[in-house]
Amino acid sequence: QVQVVQSGAEVKKPGASVRVSCKASGYTFTNYALHWVRQAPGQRLEWMGWIDAGNGNTRYSHKFQGRVTITRDTSASTAYMELSSLRSEDTALYYCARDSYTRDYHYYMDVWGKGTTVTVSS
Amino acid sequence: DIQMTQSPSSLSASVGDRVTITCRASQSISTYLNWYQQKAGEAPKLLIYAASSLQSGVPLRFSGSGSGTDFTLTISSLQPEDFATYYCQQSYSTPYTFGQGTKLETK
Repeated sequence: QVQVVQSGAEVKKPGASVRVSCKASGYTFTNYALHWVRQAPGQRLEWMGWIDAGNGNTRYSHKFQGRVTITRDTSASTAYMELSSLRSEDTALYYCARDSYTRDYHYYMDVWGKGTTVTVSS
Repeated sequence: DIQMTQSPSSLSASVGDRVTITCRASQSISTYLNWYQQKAGEAPKLLIYAASSLQSGVPLRFSGSGSGTDFTLTISSLQPEDFATYYCQQSYSTPYTFGQGTKLETK
């Protein structure tokens, strides 16, 4: 079945970086983009950026510009999200989600991973 | 950035009730609006895309409407498994943004 499986929980110190992976299966990886969305405790969902898995093009939220890097490895059908200069406010559940779209380019996130908890604490 | 505001933020209802949740965008987004359901401890699940299209496998009691700045999600007859938090999300322009969520609780 179509799914994306994320890597396990991470605990990091302030100032460090974290890399979360998202492995796709059940569909042609390069035919879709992947989003990264995070959710801090008790907060709304927050879009971080996306990657076109076919050509590797990326777009990031300006809030994370300079701190987030999204990459992919097509041979492994896996996307990665790296967030640097971590601070306590980055403690959150990080999701990857597959992008789909209609014929008239209405985009939506139709397949979600279970999320990866990232805790930033000294 | 486009701001998305949902109302109400929380809602108490009973099984069998008709429930409507509203989402307002800070500028016109045509029909670039999606709805998600999130249960405690789970990932969001897509319900409605492009404002009114029902995602495959989602029960017919869920429906969406609206265009421009005002949108609604309606559950025609609430079922026990529908108690969850609902989010709207605009895909008109990046950064994509979500509403603050509407928590649907049992009365």
